[in-house]
Amino acid sequence: QQPVQSPQAVILREGEDAVINCSSSKALYSVHWYRQKHGEAPVFLMILLKGGEQKGHDKISASFNEKKQQSSLYLTASQLSYSGTYFCGTAGSSNTGKLIFGQGTTLQVKP
Amino acid sequence: DAGVIQSPRHEVTEMGQEVTLRCKPISGHDYLFWYRQTMMRGLELLIYFNNNVPIDDSGMPEDRFSAKMPNASFSTLKIQPSEPRDSAVYFCASSFNGGWGTGQFFGPGTRLTVL
Repeated sequence: QQPVQSPQAVILREGEDAVINCSSSKALYSVHWYRQKHGEAPVFLMILLKGGEQKGHDKISASFNEKKQQSSLYLTASQLSYSGTYFCGTAGSSNTGKLIFGQGTTLQVKP
Repeated sequence: DAGVIQSPRHEVTEMGQEVTLRCKPISGHDYLFWYRQTMMRGLELLIYFNNNVPIDDSGMPEDRFSAKMPNASFSTLKIQPSEPRDSAVYFCASSFNGGWGTGQFFGPGTRLTVL
């Protein structure tokens, strides 16, 4: 039931782009993305609801394909501050606050 | 506005002892979640409450774990007796209306070490 994230880890240079994928074997109602820096708590980035919408947040955007039960997080022109572990959390219905988190993708941005 | 408050931030105890973790959610939030994070298992949901009522405790590992939310501003997670495999970072998070708009807000976590 846990969504699968890929890749597990990625190393970038400043200014490069990255894509993080999140796949589920179950039908999804929504996908939530969080970022966690080392030694800190996860911080909410964005939520995508059923409907295939794409959202953006500065140079970070995401898409959700509910037919494929997949979501992708796009990081454009990465900055040092983007380093951390990215988690997707999935919900199977609208009447629950429960999220199942993926195992995380560690992103390291180097100067 | 204060975020989610957790105490203690660090706890070191010996196997067999009782451990109580505390959480104060953000005022006005109606959902409260307890998570456990380890390298091996990642971020696991243990239990969550809606309006102080436990909704899903299927993630609670065993009877040694219990959680309560006596009012809207306080929750506890208790482990009795504690075991070394309980060592982890425990996060409390809160949200409004399930977090559909603004997501879940995590507290700083309690790092538990059971010797």
